[in-house]
Amino acid sequence: AQSVAQPEDQVNVAEGNPLTVKCTYSVSGNPYLFWYVQYPNRGLQFLLKYITGDNLVKGSYGFEAEFNKSQTSFHLKKPSALVSDSALYFCAVRAPYSGAGSYQLTFGKGTKLSVIP
Amino acid sequence: GAGVSQSPSNKVTEKGKDVELRCDPISGHTALYWYRQSLGQGLEFLIYFQGNSAPDKSGLPSDRFSAERTGGSVSTLTIQRTQQEDSAVYLCASSVRSGTGGHEQYFGPGTRLTVT
Repeated sequence: AQSVAQPEDQVNVAEGNPLTVKCTYSVSGNPYLFWYVQYPNRGLQFLLKYITGDNLVKGSYGFEAEFNKSQTSFHLKKPSALVSDSALYFCAVRAPYSGAGSYQLTFGKGTKLSVIP
Repeated sequence: GAGVSQSPSNKVTEKGKDVELRCDPISGHTALYWYRQSLGQGLEFLIYFQGNSAPDKSGLPSDRFSAERTGGSVSTLTIQRTQQEDSAVYLCASSVRSGTGGHEQYFGPGTRLTVT
């Protein structure tokens, strides 16, 4: 079975400072990894994904994430935080393609990011 | 283009009543997923449709829950004899296809269900 851990329920960072939201995963085989963001009373918005290739992936709104296979991590980063980045962030994992299955996403519990002006 | 749409946005129902939640996926997306988001359980997978294949119902929490997808497009999630523990936000997502390619899922705004 696959699983995702987001060890921090909340992350506070000052505007302009770099931010990191942590994620570790467990899955059989090579993982497909995703980050989503959720603003209040909204659905989830896709930020970025890692499928294969370069371990550093870039996504929307200046976010990036680094895939580390040995540490089974996929931390979300941004060099300079904005107040508008304040939201709930979800890391998700999907099993690799095997010819069968539904490939649903397994989500972490979410990390609330607060960027302080 | 148009994203995933869901209706209603909010639904309040009495315990024991049946409810239907609707999802209209992005045009051309063959894979459709239902998830449930609740405070205690986080985001949980419910059911998956891919084209004309049999749906994966492995995430449905009880036989009170069912879903269908007509014509490979619109999907309806039905909850019979609602219970208070069914209160949650029900999210629908669609993707180009599942399996190969690792295509991301696009989510609708959700339906907030409150069972009183």
